[in-house]
Amino acid sequence: DIQMTQSPSTLSASVGDRVSITCRASQSVSAWLAWYQQKPGKAPTLLIYQASSLKSGVPSRFSGSGSGTEFTLTISSLQPDDFATYFCQHYNTYSPTFGQGTKVEIK
Amino acid sequence: QMQLQESGPGLVKPSETLSLTCDVSGSSISSDYYWGWIRQPPGKGLEWIASMFHSGSTYYNPSLQSRVAISVDTSRNQFSLRLTSVTAADTAVYFCASSPIRFYGSGKFWDGRFDYWGQGTLVPVSS
Repeated sequence: DIQMTQSPSTLSASVGDRVSITCRASQSVSAWLAWYQQKPGKAPTLLIYQASSLKSGVPSRFSGSGSGTEFTLTISSLQPDDFATYFCQHYNTYSPTFGQGTKVEIK
Repeated sequence: QMQLQESGPGLVKPSETLSLTCDVSGSSISSDYYWGWIRQPPGKGLEWIASMFHSGSTYYNPSLQSRVAISVDTSRNQFSLRLTSVTAADTAVYFCASSPIRFYGSGKFWDGRFDYWGQGTLVPVSS
């Protein structure tokens, strides 16, 4: 299986901050990379797919970049609703795996 | 808009079989989506379990393949998961989810992202 590693595990930030989360794959996943947001007690929701494509309805302050083994999720100006846990997921093979998650908390 | 809703037992005993069902609304289960299951142990990360197309194309997580079966019931517009010989390590919130299709030439292939999710159901494994 391809291993996905996110950093940092926890990120403390303030409203209005620009924040970035990194996801590294143990081998190339091309651009087959998705990002999800999960709030406590809720299911994950898809934000970004194919590394940089924004799902319809997702605010434009979210963006994704990268290819191969290194990817970044950026929130350009953190909003109160964005405090949550974020997961990356590769789907380059028929055995997709997720990163361990990055919790974005209030500073 | 597609909606998914899991249902199943509130508790499963060790060594028994876990069975869950996902009801799909807002879309036909015979449409161009793969239907899948993902789980999340309390306080931990996400693990994909299995995904299936209504025609029968199926993919399983290699680490669970010997214990897992996924099936689709087109007459009821639902799909199901069976996990045998459960242990405490199988305690998790189980989510059902849908994935789109990629089209290459005349072929349809599983695009392994998960666009729509159910709310999840907690299944404790305990005696």
